[in-house]
Amino acid sequence: EIVMTQSPATLSVSPGERATLSCRASQSVSSNLVWYQQKPGQAPRLLIFGASTRATGIPARFSGSGSGTEFTLTISSLQSEDFAVYYCQQYNSWPPEVTFGGGTKVEIK
Amino acid sequence: QVQLQESGPGLVKPSQTLSLTCTVSGGSISSGGYWWSWIRQHPGKGLEWIGYIYYSGSTYYNPSLKSRVTISIDTSMSQLSLNLRSVTAADTAVYYCARGRGGGSCYFDNWGQGTLVSVSS
Repeated sequence: EIVMTQSPATLSVSPGERATLSCRASQSVSSNLVWYQQKPGQAPRLLIFGASTRATGIPARFSGSGSGTEFTLTISSLQSEDFAVYYCQQYNSWPPEVTFGGGTKVEIK
Repeated sequence: QVQLQESGPGLVKPSQTLSLTCTVSGGSISSGGYWWSWIRQHPGKGLEWIGYIYYSGSTYYNPSLKSRVTISIDTSMSQLSLNLRSVTAADTAVYYCARGRGGGSCYFDNWGQGTLVSVSS
C-alpha cells in the first residue's frame, strides 16, 4: 500500500497570506496525485489533478506542483472561503488502489 | 453535470449488513472511462476508499475491507450499490459515492453529498 503523509496537520494563516501544504508518498506515484478541499458538512471538491492541473472552475490562486514522492499545494492569497481541510490522494496505476493523506486543516490565524 | 445521490438506512445493527444505493443522474453510468466508487469518512477523520466498479462489472476493493465488501452496478437503473457485511461500531461513518476518472486507478471528480450511517444496537 502506498502511504500518503500530509504536513502540517494544521496551518494557521491570515487572510491574504500564502499557504503551502505538503504531501509525501511512500513510493513514487509519478504525477498521479490530486488535491481536494473539504468544508464542514460537505463532500470533498476536486481542486487539482495530475499534480498540477486545476479542475474546472478552480481559481488560479490554487496551484499544485511536484512529482514522484513530493508534492505541494499552494494557495497564493487566502480568501475567507479557502479555510477548510485539504486532502491529497494518489491514483497510481498499479496496484489499482486509492489512498488519501490524513489532511491539512487550514485555519484562520 | 452529473449528480450522485446516496440513499439507505441511517442506522444498522452490529453484525448486520450495511446496504446503500447511489443514483446517478445527468450522465450515463454506462459511459466508458469512469469508475463508480464508494468512499467513507469516519466522524472527524480522514477519507477511506472502499472500492470501485466499472460499468462492465469489474471491481477493485480496498484490501482492508475486501472480505466484507461487495459493490454492484445496475446500468438500467443508473445505480451502484454497496454491501458491507458484519458491521461493527468501527463502520460508523459518512459514506460517499463518487465518479472516478483514470486508468488503472482513479481520482474523483464528482461526489454525492454523503450519507451518515451509524452502527448501533
